[in-house]
Amino acid sequence: GENVEQHPSTLSVQEGDSAVIKCTYSDSASNYFPWYKQELGKGPQLIIDIRSNVGEKKDQRIAVTLNKTAKHFSLHITETQPEDSAVYFCAASMGNFNKFYFGSGTKLNVKP
Amino acid sequence: GAVVSQHPSRVICKSGTSVKIECRSLDFQATTMFWYRQFPKQSLMLMATSNEGSKATYEQGVEKDKFLINHASLTLSTLTVTSAHPEDSSFYICSARGTVNSPLHFGNGTRLTVT
Repeated sequence: GENVEQHPSTLSVQEGDSAVIKCTYSDSASNYFPWYKQELGKGPQLIIDIRSNVGEKKDQRIAVTLNKTAKHFSLHITETQPEDSAVYFCAASMGNFNKFYFGSGTKLNVKP
Repeated sequence: GAVVSQHPSRVICKSGTSVKIECRSLDFQATTMFWYRQFPKQSLMLMATSNEGSKATYEQGVEKDKFLINHASLTLSTLTVTSAHPEDSSFYICSARGTVNSPLHFGNGTRLTVT
């Protein structure tokens, strides 16, 4: 089955700096890659997603890039703010989205 | 849009009793719902997938008689933890998607503590 690896496990940045989280996947059939933000005691919230027919997608301060050849995708957060502090999960899915494979998560700490 | 509501948010029960957790899609019809379990500082572990009107598909190692899942309508799925034990204490999260190829949305989770 699909294997999604995520790095780093923890990331500390200064407010205003950029943060990058990287994920790799193993199955070339995966074609949908969402990113989730999970705050303490809450469920994951979808923040951005990308499909395999697109190389990059941006939404204000967040962007996701996808390299199908290398089978990796990344989350980029610019101008980080303390409220960006949370755990971020990447995921991969294929076909009709009947199964999602999650990375191990990255705890992002934005220091004011 | 795409709101998934999960109740209760926290529940404490005694060992041996059963607990029911509800997951509702508020503004879309959820053809498929997923139930996850999350241990502290760990990723999401898929327990089962349920499609409306059919039996749930459980992941390997998940006891279907212990974790009963019902998806009787397009907006409601329930997870019942039967004869709960302290080792069942965990954070349970449901998620739902509408049509095929639509994104997955999560509820806010249920913190279950079995004493």
